[in-house]
Amino acid sequence: GAGVSQSPRYKVAKRGQDVALRCDPISGHVSLFWYQQALGQGPEFLTYFQNEAQLDKSGLPSDRFFAERPEGSVSTLKIQRTQQEDSAVYLCASSSKGVVVGTGELFFGEGSRLTVL
Amino acid sequence: GENVEQHPSTLSVQEGDSAVIKCTYSDSASNYFPWYKQELGKRPQLIIDIRSNVGEKKDQRIAVTLNKTAKHFSLHITETQPEDSAVYFCAANSNSGGSNYKLTFGKGTLLTVNP
Repeated sequence: GAGVSQSPRYKVAKRGQDVALRCDPISGHVSLFWYQQALGQGPEFLTYFQNEAQLDKSGLPSDRFFAERPEGSVSTLKIQRTQQEDSAVYLCASSSKGVVVGTGELFFGEGSRLTVL
Repeated sequence: GENVEQHPSTLSVQEGDSAVIKCTYSDSASNYFPWYKQELGKRPQLIIDIRSNVGEKKDQRIAVTLNKTAKHFSLHITETQPEDSAVYFCAANSNSGGSNYKLTFGKGTLLTVNP
C-alpha cells in the first residue's frame, strides 16, 4: 500500500502479558518513529530509527519497552510484562528525510490501540 | 527539552466563522513547526508547516504565523466548514546536537464547526 500500515489495530492484553506491535513504513522511507498517544493527549516520542540504526530511544518509558528495525524497513515495538499504564494508542510514522537532512513530513499509521486489563 | 503548550483545548465555531489555535514553545533552537489534523479514530495528517525563516505561510483557507521572538505560533482557519471538525495538534522540533527530527506535540484542540 501507499501509506504506513500498523498491526494489530486493536490489542487487549492481560496485565503481565507481552505484546508486539508491527509497523510497515512507506517503502524507501529512511526514518521511522514510534509515538505513544494517551487518551485526549498529543503523541509523545518514544524512539527513532534511521534505516536499521536506532539513533534515539530516549522516550521509551522503561526497559520493558523494546523496538527494532533489523532490515531498515518493518519495525516492531515490543512491550514486556504489560501494565495498565501502558494502555494507549501506539503510532508509527515514517519520513523520507534522515536526521542530517532535516525535518520532513511525518506520515503516520492508523495506530495500534493497546488496552491492558 | 522542548515544551509545547496549546490553547484552547476545545473550540466551537459556527460554519463560516474563523478559528484560531495558539501554541507556545520553549526551545529557542526549534526551527520547524507543523500542524496535524486528527479525525476521531484516524491517523494524524499534516495540514501545514512553517520553518523559522518565514513569519507566515498560507494554503487556501489555512494559514500559520510564527513569532520567533515570543516563541509562539498560531493556526488560522477561515470560512470554517463542518469537515474541519477534528482535533488539531501543533508541534515543534528539538534542534540540539545537529539532530532536529524529534517533534514535541501540544495536547491538542478539539475544533467543532456547527452547521
